Amino acid sequence: AQSVTQLGSHVSVSEGALVLLRCNYSSSVPPYLFWYVQYPNQGLQLLLKYTTGATLVKGINGFEAEFKKSETSFHLTKPSAHMSDAAEYFCAVTSWGSKLTFGTGTRLQVTL
Amino acid sequence: DAGVIQSPRHEVTEMGQEVTLRCKPISGHDYLFWYRQTMMRGLELLIYFNNNVPIDDSGMPEDRFSAKMPNASFSTLKIQPSEPRDSAVYFCASSHRTSGLVETQYFGPGTRLTVL
Repeated sequence: AQSVTQLGSHVSVSEGALVLLRCNYSSSVPPYLFWYVQYPNQGLQLLLKYTTGATLVKGINGFEAEFKKSETSFHLTKPSAHMSDAAEYFCAVTSWGSKLTFGTGTRLQVTL
Repeated sequence: DAGVIQSPRHEVTEMGQEVTLRCKPISGHDYLFWYRQTMMRGLELLIYFNNNVPIDDSGMPEDRFSAKMPNASFSTLKIQPSEPRDSAVYFCASSHRTSGLVETQYFGPGTRLTVL
């Protein structure tokens, strides 16, 4: 069985500050990990994904995430937050197969 | 490509009525997923299809829910009879499996269902 835990349902940062959204996973087999973003009244959009290879993954809009097997983590970061980053972010995990298991989401607020 | 298309975008109905949600996946994609999103339960996978065949429907809440995929370009999710607790945003997503790789799911804009 797979699961994802996102620590913090709400995160607030100032514009220009570091964004750190936490994701820990549980999987009995090597996982594939995803971060999706959801803007208000829209569907989910892929930010980045880890499958194999390099553990530091770069995505769209300046986001990146690092797969750390020893910590079972896949935290999402961005060096400098922008107002347009305000959205809900979902971490998801799958093993071999198509069924994604999503976390409960973290709502990011960006303040001036 | 137009992306995943869902209709209607909003649906308001009364308890007991039949509701049909529609989805057109991205052309060439061979997987189709139906999800439900609520504040209480988050994002839940209801069912998914591969090459028009249902693979896993373990997330379908109960017999009132049914899903079909008559061809590669169309799927429906039906609720009959609808209940207020079915109020949620329903998403359709599609993907294409490339051998040896883990595919990305592309989501539609969702249908916001309100059952009064």
